Formats: sequence, C-alpha cells, structure tokens
Amino acid sequence: QSALTQPRSVSGSPGQSVTISCTGTINDVAYYNYVSWYQQHPGKAPKLMIFDVSMRPSGVPDRFSASKSANTASLTISGLQAEDEADYYCCSYAGRDTWVFGGGTKLTVL
Amino acid sequence: QVQLVQSGDELKKPGASVKVSCKASGYSFNNYGINWVRQAPGQGLEWMGWISTYNGNRNSAQKFQDRVTMTTDTFTNTAYMELGSLRSDDTAVYYCARDGGWSGYYYYYFMDVWGKGTTVTVSS
Repeated sequence: QSALTQPRSVSGSPGQSVTISCTGTINDVAYYNYVSWYQQHPGKAPKLMIFDVSMRPSGVPDRFSASKSANTASLTISGLQAEDEADYYCCSYAGRDTWVFGGGTKLTVL
Repeated sequence: QVQLVQSGDELKKPGASVKVSCKASGYSFNNYGINWVRQAPGQGLEWMGWISTYNGNRNSAQKFQDRVTMTTDTFTNTAYMELGSLRSDDTAVYYCARDGGWSGYYYYYFMDVWGKGTTVTVSS
C-alpha cells in the first residue's frame, strides 16, 4: 500500500490554471473509478472537492475539474483565486475496504 | 447539521494506548462507514482504517493491523479508534471521516464529512 505520487508543489498566478497529477498503480487508480480529491487549509480538516474521478459535490465551484487516464488522475483548478492556496490530496479506493492517499501538493497562488 | 465530533487532545507516554472517539449526529449512523486518517506534523494524510457501522466489517492499512482497533457503538452513534504500543512517530492529528455510503445500489467511496481532528502527542 504505497502512497500515490503527487508533485510536492505547484504554483500559478490569479486567473491562471494549474493541474495537479496523482499517479497510482493498477491496484488503485487504474482499476477503480473511485478517485477523490481533498483541499486542506492550514490547521483545518480536509474538504472533499472531487469524487468518483470527476464529480463535484454541491457547493464546489466549477473551476475545479478532474479526470483520469490509466493510472494517473489529475485535478485542474482554473481561474485561480487567492483562497485556492492550500494543500491538495488525491485518494483512491484500493479494494477490500482499503484506501490510499497521495503525498499531497502545496498550491501557491503567486 | 451533519457532523462528527471528536474527543479531546491526548498526551501519552511511549508504549501506552490511546482511544479516540468520534460521535456522529445529523444523519443515519448505520448507513455510512467511518474512516480513520492521521496526519503527522508537517506531513500528508495517511489512511489508517475503515469500519462499517452497519455490520462491523473493518480493514486497516497493513502498517497498523497489529496495533489498531476500530469499533462502533450504534446506541450512541459513536466510532472509536484505539492505537496501541504508541511511539513518538505516532504523534499526529487523528481524523475520523464519514464515507459516502449507499445510494440505491451504488456505494460512494469518498470521505465527505470530517471531524475536526484529535491531536495525540506521544512523549516521555
């Protein structure tokens, strides 16, 4: 059960778009369409932003979108805003009632 | 409103055990599983385990399998996670998080409601 691989950091200017990748294996990201993404601000609990690869919960802006190809999932944030600055984590169901998180990506809005 | 309220912060000595509680309210407790996730200082999220509040089925990450015990009390709508043989590297914030549960014949494998976290500090 190795952690999914994410870039440690990404950055972008307000209004720009950034994409965060999340690479797993045939046993998790590639096999299951159960990738979710979480946003975490310092000192706060994570917040669900995307589920089932590309679905947005109600209340999440449509600036947040996501997709998956083979064993790599991606989160794209368009029209960057200052409040998007946070840590982002991908997570995949890995079968037999187990989950695995990515290492996290720090998004800096320049 | 839907929420998970966790127990207070803990200070433990190495070798001891800690039991964290997670009380659910605002929804039908039996319809959603509970995940336990921890975050060491300055580190990422780490999935520890999951328990079904419906039938008690559970599984945990391999690294915790011999040290973690997850239980639920359906009378008080509370989930518990006990971690034993504590070491200094178990110092972390421990979160409980509700999974998406069943919607018809479809199960949602995400974590949509999180507790605020319980800080467990292991120090001699």
